[in-house]
Amino acid sequence: GENVEQHPSTLSVQEGDSAVIKCTYSDSASNYFPWYKQELGKRPQLIIDIRSNVGEKKDQRIAVTLNKTAKHFSLHITETQPEDSAVYFCAASRGSGTYKYIFGTGTRLKVLA
Amino acid sequence: EAQVTQNPRYLITVTGKKLTVTCSQNMNHEYMSWYRQDPGLGLRQIYYSMNVEVTDKGDVPEGYKVSRKEKRNFPLILESPSPNQTSLYFCASSPGTGKGEQYFGPGTRLTVT
Repeated sequence: GENVEQHPSTLSVQEGDSAVIKCTYSDSASNYFPWYKQELGKRPQLIIDIRSNVGEKKDQRIAVTLNKTAKHFSLHITETQPEDSAVYFCAASRGSGTYKYIFGTGTRLKVLA
Repeated sequence: EAQVTQNPRYLITVTGKKLTVTCSQNMNHEYMSWYRQDPGLGLRQIYYSMNVEVTDKGDVPEGYKVSRKEKRNFPLILESPSPNQTSLYFCASSPGTGKGEQYFGPGTRLTVT
């Protein structure tokens, strides 16, 4: 069946350094790839998303890259801050708001002050 | 205020006692979905609905039922709960076709003894 693999499961970085989280998907028909941030005890919230007709998207300190040929996409956070500490989930879907979503298993990011 | 609400937020029940977790959104969203979150497994989609009377299975539908009789409501029904359904459940909604961001509810922590 379809699946999304996410690595690493935990990541510790020094404040100010960059963090990279990688996901690989299996369904070649996937065309929508969101990233969610979940703080402790809170609900997941979308931080950035990308569609398959775009290779890269950036929003201030966060960026997502997509390689459709290799079926993988990555989240990049630059100049990390303590408030970036959270669990991050990637997901893949064949159509945003029209089909099922497959989520990765999450990455716990710790930003050390 | 635009929001997704779930009730109850916490529930402890016994094996076999039917229960319903309600989900409601006030954003006129077409797409609604249920997820369960378990440690190390991330978010797994149970069921989703693209519109009224249109529902489909996600990755882990066994043991659950849903209905979408009204656009704003999407209840999750456990006809005969079992201990392996102990989990944190999230409802989510999104505008629909081509508009991907899912807005998550606050979560329902269910314990089945």
